[in-house]
Amino acid sequence: AQRVTQPEKLLSVFKGAPVELKCNYSYSGSPELFWYVQYSRQRLQLLLRHISRESIKGFTADLNKGETSFHLKKPFAQEEDSAMYYCALVPSGNTPLVFGKGTRLSVIA
Amino acid sequence: DTGVSQNPRHKITKRGQNVTFRCDPISEHNRLYWYRQTLGQGPEFLTYFQNEAQLEKSRLLSDRFSAERPKGSFSTLEIQRTEQGDSAMYLCASSPGAAPYDEKLFFGSGTQLSVL
Repeated sequence: AQRVTQPEKLLSVFKGAPVELKCNYSYSGSPELFWYVQYSRQRLQLLLRHISRESIKGFTADLNKGETSFHLKKPFAQEEDSAMYYCALVPSGNTPLVFGKGTRLSVIA
Repeated sequence: DTGVSQNPRHKITKRGQNVTFRCDPISEHNRLYWYRQTLGQGPEFLTYFQNEAQLEKSRLLSDRFSAERPKGSFSTLEIQRTEQGDSAMYLCASSPGAAPYDEKLFFGSGTQLSVL
């Protein structure tokens, strides 16, 4: 069965330090991958998606099919990046999103 | 606010009672999803609709759970004979298009259910 693993429950970094939030998936095909974010007292929202190859708020994520990973990276963390981050995948076709358990990022001033 | 709206925000009920939640999606979004989230977990898929048709149900959705979207607009999720294990945040999301992998899901604020 398809599964998304986020090994870190909590990640604390200092402001200005690089950030890497890890995401690994198990799926034999070619999934579509996403990162969703939930800031304090806000709704869960899409941060970025693999298919768009985009950079949002300085974050990027590269799909590594060999390592089945989709890690989220930012070179210089900002305090406003503190939030809950969820990696998610769509296995194929018209099947709904499968979410990981999430990683709480805390950026320390 | 023209986003996804969920009511009520909080619901406290006694074990064995029935509860119903409502979700109003973004206007003209034809896909509507229900997810459940418990503490320390990511959202878990329950069911989704394409217009009024319920296309998929998770095995998490026992026969005590039923969801409807009668006119392809708002949706209701009913839980009958609630159990303490049903305590969770119930999230609704909508999306505009036909393919879930190429589009954003817009989430509501959720309904927090507490079963005593």
